[in-house]
Amino acid sequence: RKEVEQDPGPFNVPEGATVAFNCTYSNSASQSFFWYRQDCRKEPKLLMSVYSSGNEDGRFTAQLNRASQYISLLIRDSKLSDSATYLCVVIRSDNAGGTSYGKLTFGQGTILTVHP
Amino acid sequence: DTAVSQTPKYLVTQMGNDKSIKCEQNLGHDTMYWYKQDSKKFLKIMFSYNNKELIINETVPNRFSPKSPDKAHLNLHINSLELGDSAVYFCASSQFSTGPQSGANVLTFGAGSRLTVL
Repeated sequence: RKEVEQDPGPFNVPEGATVAFNCTYSNSASQSFFWYRQDCRKEPKLLMSVYSSGNEDGRFTAQLNRASQYISLLIRDSKLSDSATYLCVVIRSDNAGGTSYGKLTFGQGTILTVHP
Repeated sequence: DTAVSQTPKYLVTQMGNDKSIKCEQNLGHDTMYWYKQDSKKFLKIMFSYNNKELIINETVPNRFSPKSPDKAHLNLHINSLELGDSAVYFCASSQFSTGPQSGANVLTFGAGSRLTVL
């Protein structure tokens, strides 16, 4: 089982729709979570962090469910410009040569296409 | 002013050749990374350097050799290129993460280097 799994989609939704993606993680020691956005043929860019109590940034809402080990991203009132691949990132502690650091694992991404 | 810049952006080469990709960051970050994104879009860590010291070396063939002359630069040299090496290679940087809760876990990526091996 992969450490981080996402439904690859694609999700095709009309403008104005609400869409939600989930991302499940297998390691219960995971402690930090992020959503990144990657436009076609571009680099990933941070969209938002995911806080334990859930957090909102405009039309975007991120939630964490530690018991079921998943994070979610909800997009309200979808815009054409939201079309992209959404990558979840899960971070846990790891150790290299006696030094602790945060190990990031990316999901494979969920493709969203918003159409007129 | 580009924060993380990598060159070349595109690289087309024959099997068996040796090639290098360069990366530089001007963010003052301590940690730099190489990621590989294959055709299925999986983004996999290859290497991570903190202050010129190698800290992450995932299961990557010996043909891949990173070099960090200083903490602002991390280059990737690939020997004897194979068809399966075709991918987009992303350089990234961050502050040094001391653990999962560190605010330093946010990565800034370069624009990517698309390698095609024929």
